[in-house]
Amino acid sequence: KAGVTQTPRYLIKTRGQQVTLSCSPISGHRSVSWYQQTPGQGLQFLFEYFSETQRNKGNFPGRFSGRQFSNSRSEMNVSTLELGDSALYLCASSSSSYNEQFFGPGTRLTVL
Amino acid sequence: GQQLNQSPQSMFIQEGEDVSMNCTSSSIFNTWLWYKQDPGEGPVLLIALYKAGELTSNGRLTAQFGITRKDSFLNISASIPSDVGIYFCAGQRSGGSNYKLTFGKGTLLTVNP
Repeated sequence: KAGVTQTPRYLIKTRGQQVTLSCSPISGHRSVSWYQQTPGQGLQFLFEYFSETQRNKGNFPGRFSGRQFSNSRSEMNVSTLELGDSALYLCASSSSSYNEQFFGPGTRLTVL
Repeated sequence: GQQLNQSPQSMFIQEGEDVSMNCTSSSIFNTWLWYKQDPGEGPVLLIALYKAGELTSNGRLTAQFGITRKDSFLNISASIPSDVGIYFCAGQRSGGSNYKLTFGKGTLLTVNP
């Protein structure tokens, strides 16, 4: 089975721009979660989608949003980028029956 | 957001030595997961624990789910250079629709050949 894939792997943007990141879960997995990883804060939960519905949301501003499509692929959008948004954004997928989350390689976002 | 207390923050050991790291929380978790992350990559799941008191092995790795459900530890026996990386614990309160993972800050492991 192919693992979780994320595109792009690297991205450089400037302040004020917006960005869209993509995640394709493991085949058959219907839950997709997004996390932000920074050296200072570690891994922080952004949100989780299941069957195109957002089920859980972390403590991030409204500039961070996401969606999930009928094929379980998910996108995450960050609008009005700030320098502090520079981070590794990780997506994880899980089956509806199990609790293990499997991570993709991440998208490294740099905001200049 | 809530963080788990993971210790130690870093370890520098000789090849062949055993390693132990742990995570504690003020809250109860239903599931404990241990991940390893290499530079520039996403975390890779090592071991998943679902029952209080459960002891699970994966090769040279052994992890336990604490009886109080507020802690977990990971042991690595006979370390080798490829064990180098950052190890994270993660707790999850399953049930209902809550699948959020709460992570520790990680333990950076360096193995000297």
